[in-house]
Amino acid sequence: NAGVIQTPRHKVTGKGQEATLWCEPISGHSAVFWYRQTIVQGLEFLTYFRNQAPIDDSGMPKERFSAQMPNQSHSTLKIQSTQPQDSAVYLCASSLNWGPSYEQYFGPGTRLTVL
Amino acid sequence: QQKVQQSPESLSVPEGGMASFNCTSSDRNFQYFWWYRQHSGEGPKALMSIFSDGDKKEGRFTAHLNKASLHVSLHIRDSQPSDSALYFCAASELPGTGSNRLTFGKGTKFSLIP
Repeated sequence: NAGVIQTPRHKVTGKGQEATLWCEPISGHSAVFWYRQTIVQGLEFLTYFRNQAPIDDSGMPKERFSAQMPNQSHSTLKIQSTQPQDSAVYLCASSLNWGPSYEQYFGPGTRLTVL
Repeated sequence: QQKVQQSPESLSVPEGGMASFNCTSSDRNFQYFWWYRQHSGEGPKALMSIFSDGDKKEGRFTAHLNKASLHVSLHIRDSQPSDSALYFCAASELPGTGSNRLTFGKGTKFSLIP
């Protein structure tokens, strides 16, 4: 079991460019989550898929962020027109099933730096 | 207002000592609590969960939950060098509220005193 895989591990973009982050959840897991981690804000929830369907995107900045899960083996987080304040570690997690008692397994994260 | 508050911000104990971490929620919808640990350069990893009042022990780790006060704590006995990490308290809402997102505290930076 390779765990949750995130690519790339590091990404540097210029202000205004687009960034696409990839996540491969653990095989057989039906729930996928995206979080963002910064020194100032800590770990923040962004969005959540259940069986590939978007369930909760209440944490997503509305204008430039979007997430998709086209199949059960990967999810993408896209940031358009990146800004310096988007610099963070973006973490993907998956869980076997949905429900608060199911452990969320986190990937190593993608460190996004916007210059 | 931060819905999940952790203390202390940082903690150092000698090797072999006892470490204690505290967490309080201000939202009564949060009834399911997790402790996560994050080593540098890695994603958070779950240490243990606690959903019922009282103590839960797993090896060197003991969690305690008081639902009335929404206070949860984590205690590590016989601290080891591998325990040096960021420790997060995370809360999840009651089933049926529509989301299984975790709400994290700001974390406690834990290290061993050489």
